[in-house]
Amino acid sequence: QKEVEQNSGPLSVPEGAIASLNCTYSDRGSQSFFWYRQYSGKSPELIMSIYSNGDKEDGRFTAQLNKASQYVSLLIRDSQPSDSATYLCAVNSGGYQKVTFGTGTKLQVIP
Amino acid sequence: DGGITQSPKYLFRKEGQNVTLSCEQNLNHDAMYWYRQDPGQGLRLIYYSQIVNDFQKGDIAEGYSVSREKKESFPLTVTSAQKNPTAFYLCASSIVGSDIQYFGAGTRLSVL
Repeated sequence: QKEVEQNSGPLSVPEGAIASLNCTYSDRGSQSFFWYRQYSGKSPELIMSIYSNGDKEDGRFTAQLNKASQYVSLLIRDSQPSDSATYLCAVNSGGYQKVTFGTGTKLQVIP
Repeated sequence: DGGITQSPKYLFRKEGQNVTLSCEQNLNHDAMYWYRQDPGQGLRLIYYSQIVNDFQKGDIAEGYSVSREKKESFPLTVTSAQKNPTAFYLCASSIVGSDIQYFGAGTRLSVL
């Protein structure tokens, strides 16, 4: 059973701080990694995709991938109350139909 | 606007009834997917389709059926055999060869 693990949270950070969200995965052969944001009652929307070891930055978001340690993280700089949502980590272990989603980490940004 | 349209937004099912959830996309994507999301759980794959007239079971296909008669449409039927159908159902699509999936707004199904 290929697994994607996330701390369910909630993770509470003050406005303006850096939020750090972590995800570990079990399949060492995984090649593609995604972070989705899901507001309460809404559908997931893609924030970041990352395929290579290292950091990938997009605005206030940075995805970090370490395949040797089998973890992927998402940093949100200058966190805003509008960032309050559940963040889903997704991992593709082979073939686009084999995307496995974690249960999500709930982030609360406190004004 | 290009996107994925799911309808209805809310659906209620009576005991022994089959219900059909609609998913239509105008993104010209070849691949389409159905997921189920339960509270506090990740998304679980029900069915997926890569091309018209072909579809494959996902991890939790029992009690569900699909069809793919048109590229744009991938309806999901929740049959009476699905004993615990209450969940948030999400349709997604992607370009064949890409593993980036885009989601519709979802249908919330409840049992009366």
